[in-house]
Amino acid sequence: QKEVEQDPGPLSVPEGAIVSLNCTYSNSAFQYFMWYRQYSRKGPELLMYTYSSGNKEDGRFTAQVDKSSKYISLFIRDSQPSDSATYLCAMSGSRDDKIIFGKGTRLHILP
Amino acid sequence: DSGVTQTPKHLITATGQRVTLRCSPRSGDLSVYWYQQSLDQGLQFLIHYYNGEERAKGNILERFSAQQFPDLHSELNLSSLELGDSALYFCASSVDRALRAPTFGSGTRLTVV
Repeated sequence: QKEVEQDPGPLSVPEGAIVSLNCTYSNSAFQYFMWYRQYSRKGPELLMYTYSSGNKEDGRFTAQVDKSSKYISLFIRDSQPSDSATYLCAMSGSRDDKIIFGKGTRLHILP
Repeated sequence: DSGVTQTPKHLITATGQRVTLRCSPRSGDLSVYWYQQSLDQGLQFLIHYYNGEERAKGNILERFSAQQFPDLHSELNLSSLELGDSALYFCASSVDRALRAPTFGSGTRLTVV
């Protein structure tokens, strides 16, 4: 079983819809959870960063962590065509010196 | 501009050759991470340096090596290159050792022919 699993998509949704992106993980030591957005041929850009369980909101983005289920989510409200990109989840443990990434979900927002 | 500078942006080289990729972290960042991204493998962690010391290794091949210099810039050396080494190589930096939420550079695209 891979440490981090993420559906590669592609996921196509109409403009204005709510988008839900998810990752599951197997390592219960993970404490820090991140979501990155990556446009084609560009470096990943940090969107959200959360510690342990709970929700965090930033503008149109909401990150949720459920450690009991080893499941994290990113919600995008009022999706825009400019949100079309690959979304990568990432996580690390409190003692780790490395961050493990999911393979990414390709998202297409249809105008 | 993320503040993390990677050079060169593109590199084309032949099999069996050796190349060096360079990374300058954001001002004040002590941690540097290297990642390899290929279409089928996603972002693979290679190695982490903190303030000049190696902190963690991922699935880095023996043909690959890295170091972080006193001025905190880092270099990733890839030798005896194979076609399968063609990928995007990213450097990321963070202010502390724990590397929560690092900032990525724009990457070096390596093509081995």
